[in-house]
Amino acid sequence: ETGVTQTPRHLVMGMTNKKSLKCEQHLGHNAMYWYKQSAKKPLELMFVYNFKEQTENNSVPSRFSPECPNSSHLFLHLHTLQPEDSALYLCASSQDPGGGQGGNTIYFGEGSWLTVV
Amino acid sequence: AQTVTQSQPEMSVQEAETVTLSCTYDTSESDYYLFWYKQPPSRQMILVIRQEAYKQQNATENRFSVNFQKAAKSFSLKISDSQLGDAAMYFCAYRSAGDNDMRFGAGTRLTVKP
Repeated sequence: ETGVTQTPRHLVMGMTNKKSLKCEQHLGHNAMYWYKQSAKKPLELMFVYNFKEQTENNSVPSRFSPECPNSSHLFLHLHTLQPEDSALYLCASSQDPGGGQGGNTIYFGEGSWLTVV
Repeated sequence: AQTVTQSQPEMSVQEAETVTLSCTYDTSESDYYLFWYKQPPSRQMILVIRQEAYKQQNATENRFSVNFQKAAKSFSLKISDSQLGDAAMYFCAYRSAGDNDMRFGAGTRLTVKP
């Protein structure tokens, strides 16, 4: 059982659709992340939230819109995506990156497979 | 910018034997953390082992141990008594203390032969 849960696990959407990925962490962490994992590419950090505030946006296109209503929940809203956006989207959480013992370990969810058709 | 390099795209090992996965990194920081994550077919990234750069002693977790060479910026993972369940993608990762981002290598696919 994972401390970070993601839904849906699989999503197929058309280029004109609007959909959302959801992530919830049960670890009491205060930082949450979205990573993108494409075939034959290293994991790419997309967004980071610390205490509900966005602290990192790695030049992600505006068709990806994150939302963090509280420290336990993170959403990724998807709108007018392209086929090249098809990938595994991983949510993760950790204690504040500046934290102490164990504060720098990131814990991942099982990912949401996104296919854009 | 920090980079993480895994030079072995694929490795294989016989069940019950030992295998070492290589990782090198590049950084000018002195305070950082290194990690090995395992990603089985289920795709969930699972932390295998973690090393603080300020600790000289190599981290060990049961059958998993690391060889951390700070001066050489090398961080290899040794898996002893390999089991079929160890088959997965293994990612080496670097994180500077207090930094949001964790940098990952490209991964090594480990096959365990019965």
